Amino acid sequence: GAVVSQHPSRVICKSGTSVKIECRSLDFQATTMFWYRQFPKQSLMLMATSNEGSKATYEQGVEKDKFLINHASLTLSTLTVTSAHPEDSSFYICSASGGARETQYFGPGTRLLVL
Amino acid sequence: SQQGEEDPQALSIQEGENATMNCSYKTSINNLQWYRQNSGRGLVHLILIRSNEREKHSGRLRVTLDTSKKSSSLLITASRAADTASYFCATENSGGSNYKLTFGKGTLLTVNP
Repeated sequence: GAVVSQHPSRVICKSGTSVKIECRSLDFQATTMFWYRQFPKQSLMLMATSNEGSKATYEQGVEKDKFLINHASLTLSTLTVTSAHPEDSSFYICSASGGARETQYFGPGTRLLVL
Repeated sequence: SQQGEEDPQALSIQEGENATMNCSYKTSINNLQWYRQNSGRGLVHLILIRSNEREKHSGRLRVTLDTSKKSSSLLITASRAADTASYFCATENSGGSNYKLTFGKGTLLTVNP
């Protein structure tokens, strides 16, 4: 099956710093990647959708200047949490699909803890 | 806002028993998918059922879809301790672009050995 990786798997940072999370599709070309966040014991909330080579589409209530998304190639998308604060602590999960109406394959997630 | 709502929120059964989880949604969909998530891990895609399908099987999994009631069920037969995980339904809503998924709140299944 399709494999999606995320790096790092967990990160601890100080308040005010920026953190970059990478999402890679290892064995297929991902024309679309999705970024979700998940608080403990809650569901996944879609943050944004990114298509390769174009600007990401953010969901309502998600600050695009705080959560910078870059999808520069068909195998890599990055999410940068800028000026992170403790309330940004969460589990961030990406998914990738090969095109329209394709199954989304999920990465293993990145746990972010902001102190 | 949450599209899918699973019930029960938590389910505890003995190994060998069947587990049934339900999901309700509110808008028209293209398809409904079920995912599994082990604690602190990513999601694993289990099964997809399209809006024109009523039932689908995959191994010990059986999924039904009733579009008139806007509901779906996931049945896991002959459960095993390794089936312990959270199970989420997700809907791909019709009429939108980018084929976004909207996840329900999930059911935490515990299978006791």
